[in-house]
Amino acid sequence: DAGVIQSPRHEVTEMGQEVTLRCKPISGHDYLFWYRQTMMRGLELLIYFNNNVPIDDSGMPEDRFSAKMPNASFSTLKIQPSEPRDSAVYFCASSRGQALGPQHFGDGTRLSIL
Amino acid sequence: AQTVTQSQPEMSVQEAETVTLSCTYDTSESDYYLFWYKQPPSRQMILVIRQEAYKQQNATENRFSVNFQKAAKSFSLKISDSQLGDAAMYFCAYRSVLGNTPLVFGKGTRLSVIA
Repeated sequence: DAGVIQSPRHEVTEMGQEVTLRCKPISGHDYLFWYRQTMMRGLELLIYFNNNVPIDDSGMPEDRFSAKMPNASFSTLKIQPSEPRDSAVYFCASSRGQALGPQHFGDGTRLSIL
Repeated sequence: AQTVTQSQPEMSVQEAETVTLSCTYDTSESDYYLFWYKQPPSRQMILVIRQEAYKQQNATENRFSVNFQKAAKSFSLKISDSQLGDAAMYFCAYRSVLGNTPLVFGKGTRLSVIA
């Protein structure tokens, strides 16, 4: 079975540019999570969806960040305009149903803002 | 809010030896889930082991086992017969049973395995 698929794997761009990260969850999973990993803050939740609906976006740093899930098989995380402090590894994870199933992570996108 | 603390930023172990990674957490909930994830240099987040808080028996997965002390809110990971491939960052994580809520992670422990 295919796991969670994220693209791109690496992204390097200049400050001020728009960045779009993509995620395809595991088929049949109804929960999708976006996490960010930095050396300083570790792994922290940005936002999560249930059945394509955002449930909690309190972790989204500021208005420059937005996330969408137009259907059950696709989600995007967009940063506009990007800043150097946004440099991090961004993970998408998905899981199914109530609680028992663990979250499956994608391989992450390493984002570098110059 | 729940918090997870890993007090050992780095650990090392000789190949074939046993090592224990510490994790404590804080919660007011009586039922929850605890996980250990491994992150090798490839950056993947790999689930190592999980424990349901209502189960008294400690979870085991091959060479990996946990010591779950609910009263002490402690959840340590023991790796037996350590192998070079065990070298990675290890993250302890908490999740509520109230719906499929996000994971709360500790800051991680970097494990080195010495040949």
